[in-house]
Amino acid sequence: DTEVTQTPKHLVMGMTNKKSLKCEQHMGHRAMYWYKQKAKKPPELMFVYSYEKLSINESVPSRFSPECPNSSLLNLHLHALQPEDSALYLCASSQGRAGRTGELFFGEGSRLTVL
Amino acid sequence: ELKVEQNPLFLSMQEGKNYTIYCNYSTTSDRLYWYRQDPGKSLESLFVLLSNGAVKQEGRLMASLDTKARLSTLHITAAVHDLSATYFCAVYNWEYGNKLVFGAGTILRVKS
Repeated sequence: DTEVTQTPKHLVMGMTNKKSLKCEQHMGHRAMYWYKQKAKKPPELMFVYSYEKLSINESVPSRFSPECPNSSLLNLHLHALQPEDSALYLCASSQGRAGRTGELFFGEGSRLTVL
Repeated sequence: ELKVEQNPLFLSMQEGKNYTIYCNYSTTSDRLYWYRQDPGKSLESLFVLLSNGAVKQEGRLMASLDTKARLSTLHITAAVHDLSATYFCAVYNWEYGNKLVFGAGTILRVKS
């Protein structure tokens, strides 16, 4: 079982809706990530939070807004999305730069469908 | 730009056979990872390779790393149907920030 928990597992939303994806980890990791994955493609990095501060934004459109309320939680706020934003959204965590292996642990993902 | 190339991208093999998946990357790296992904599921960490010459084995899978050649291999021994999945290698390099760059993935189908 994964130690990174994502909710909801499935989300269907219209283009005018506002929704949020949530991610939680209790491994004491200090880096958390959002990835987007389209079918039959590798995950694409969206955002990285390191010690609760946004450290990387891979030029993601502003309709995606990340938030890290504390070291265990990571949110992705969604607003005015487009159908092409439909994908599997993966949250991951790692020990961060000082970690022994830097290994990323992924959650089960939230499958988003934008109508 | 850090590039990671996997081949083959699709592999169909018979049960009991052996095969190797290759992962080449374009610049020096101190860490390489292999992940497995089942359809519609998340990524499961298989191996973490941290040094030149590292070799790790788990069941029918064995991964190795040659940092001089910038090459990692994932060898499958006596494949079974349960190994059918997509396998990704991913490379980490501090020059490119706190990010993991993934290869395109290899879709493995093991036929009974």
